[in-house]
Amino acid sequence: GNSVTQMEGPVTLSEEAFLTINCTYTATGYPSLFWYVQYPGEGLQLLLKATKADDKGSNKGFEATYRKETTSFHLEKGSVQVSDSAVYFCALPDTGRRALTFGSGTRLQVQP
Amino acid sequence: DAGVIQSPRHEVTEMGQEVTLRCKPISGHDYLFWYRQTMMRGLELLIYFNNNVPIDDSGMPEDRFSAKMPNASFSTLKIQPSEPRDSAVYFCASNPGTSGDTQYFGPGTRLTVL
Repeated sequence: GNSVTQMEGPVTLSEEAFLTINCTYTATGYPSLFWYVQYPGEGLQLLLKATKADDKGSNKGFEATYRKETTSFHLEKGSVQVSDSAVYFCALPDTGRRALTFGSGTRLQVQP
Repeated sequence: DAGVIQSPRHEVTEMGQEVTLRCKPISGHDYLFWYRQTMMRGLELLIYFNNNVPIDDSGMPEDRFSAKMPNASFSTLKIQPSEPRDSAVYFCASNPGTSGDTQYFGPGTRLTVL
């Protein structure tokens, strides 16, 4: 079935540093791909999505490009802020059912 | 829209007690999901409903867990009897169905079973 693998954390960066969180997937066909973010004590929020190959999703300065050649959907941000400290999850639809399969999550800590 | 609403936000109970978690999905959403989040296992799908009907409950850990959706605006997840290993954050999420596969999550219920 569909699956996703993302880099383990925690990732610790200084404010204004460049961020990359790697995500690779295994899927049948070309499903939508998602990044969700979970701030401390909160539920998951959709950060961005891409619905087909070569699409770029973007939101709040974050970007991710759907790359079918490398089966990747890496999350990037050019200049992180302390407020970006959270756990980030890569996800894609399950095989044959409506639910999403999530990666293990990557904790980002941004220091001032 | 208020988003997905869950109650209670925190629940502390003793082993053997019954626990009921509640969820109100976003109005008009046809799908409702219950997930469990733990450090060891990450996010796991427990069960999901379509138009109030359970579609897949293969993720429900055992018979102590049950879920219902009596109408389009309300769902419950019940654990009876509760055990310490049930301690986790339980999330409810909903999805509009025909217009895409994005899921919208509630704030979660943090359950602690002593």
